[in-house]
Amino acid sequence: AQSVTQPDIHITVSEGASLELRCNYSYGATPYLFWYVQSPGQGLQLLLKYFSGDTLVQGIKGFEAEFKRSQSSFNLRKPSVHWSDAAEYFCAVVGPNNDMRFGAGTRLTVKP
Amino acid sequence: KAGVTQTPRYLIKTRGQQVTLSCSPISGHRSVSWYQQTPGQGLQFLFEYFSETQRNKGNFPGRFSGRQFSNSRSEMNVSTLELGDSALYLCASSLLAGVNYGYTFGSGTRLTVV
Repeated sequence: AQSVTQPDIHITVSEGASLELRCNYSYGATPYLFWYVQSPGQGLQLLLKYFSGDTLVQGIKGFEAEFKRSQSSFNLRKPSVHWSDAAEYFCAVVGPNNDMRFGAGTRLTVKP
Repeated sequence: KAGVTQTPRYLIKTRGQQVTLSCSPISGHRSVSWYQQTPGQGLQFLFEYFSETQRNKGNFPGRFSGRQFSNSRSEMNVSTLELGDSALYLCASSLLAGVNYGYTFGSGTRLTVV
């Protein structure tokens, strides 16, 4: 069944450092993949999505993600992290019921 | 334009009671989906409504139900509340049915069952 796995529960990076959040998917065909961000007490905001085509996807807030079929991955990256990026990040894939299936999330802490 | 509005933001109920949560989608959006978020189970799909019809349903007991009105506003009802129903309930809207183009989420309703 379609699913995503986020191996890292918590990541800490220094402000200004680069960031990579990992996401592995399980799906037979080309998946529809998403990254969302959730700030404390808030809903989820869509950062970017991948359906097909160019495997490097640009999103909002300076984020990008790369779809790698050979590695079943869709990792999220940002070249320079800002303190305001501290939040929880969710990778998601469209499931067979046309529902969104989320990973467990990765909590990002940004050190000054 | 206004985003997805969920009311109330916070709710405290007693076991055995029932609760109704409300969601107003972005103007023009016709699809509304509901998700439950808990620390233990993460984000789980409850159901999706499009044009007043339930299109999909997740793996939740019948105590969880919903409906959608002609103006696309949606309500979710949980009857006979259990402690395990304590969660953040998120509503998401999209222009068309299905999730392929991504959702816009509301800020959620935090339900605490005591």
